[in-house]
Amino acid sequence: GAVVSQHPSRVICKSGTSVKIECRSLDFQATTMFWYRQFPKQSLMLMATSNEGSKATYEQGVEKDKFLINHASLTLSTLTVTSAHPEDSSFYICSATSWTSGNSNEQFFGPGTRLTVL
Amino acid sequence: QQQVKQSPQSLIVQKGGISIINCAYENTAFDYFPWYQQFPGKGPALLIAIRPDVSEKKEGRFTISFNKSAKQFSLHIMDSQPGDSATYFCAASRFGQGAQKLVFGQGTRLTINP
Repeated sequence: GAVVSQHPSRVICKSGTSVKIECRSLDFQATTMFWYRQFPKQSLMLMATSNEGSKATYEQGVEKDKFLINHASLTLSTLTVTSAHPEDSSFYICSATSWTSGNSNEQFFGPGTRLTVL
Repeated sequence: QQQVKQSPQSLIVQKGGISIINCAYENTAFDYFPWYQQFPGKGPALLIAIRPDVSEKKEGRFTISFNKSAKQFSLHIMDSQPGDSATYFCAASRFGQGAQKLVFGQGTRLTINP
């Protein structure tokens, strides 16, 4: 149980285009989803927290107009990188938690999406 | 105060040896301390987690030791195997109703030599 998927697993796009990344909880309802960015050989950096049906809460320094997050249902959250530039190239990882599980603190991570902006 | 400091940055251990990774935190409000394992190109996976009401938790070859007064916790991997070669992250958060943000350590790249 507690499986989180991401799509696509990797994407290459041209500078200036927008890219959408999907995060799905496959076997549970995710009341909260988190989006992280990870640069090579670095730790995970939290970008934003999203609760189903609410606006996402962004971490300091993360541009909310550039990284659009939608959490329209209890099983799906999307991250759209708008007008992507090479410096946005990174590994994007989502995680999900559920109030209905025994430990709402436990975050179940997706497999990540490798974004390369040319 | 939100930082979690992890050491060492990299670690090489012989097969069958004990791997030890240490973390220290500053925020005394933290009361949930998980360890994650990440293989290249994959998302992190929860290995083991501890709350401050116990000083040690063991699951198979993995043990967390927790020192509340020193605000430190460590991961011990017994009988380390080549398949344990991965990057390990400690993390900390508050434990409570509703999802809590995790603060991650810098990560330790562990290599187990056969």
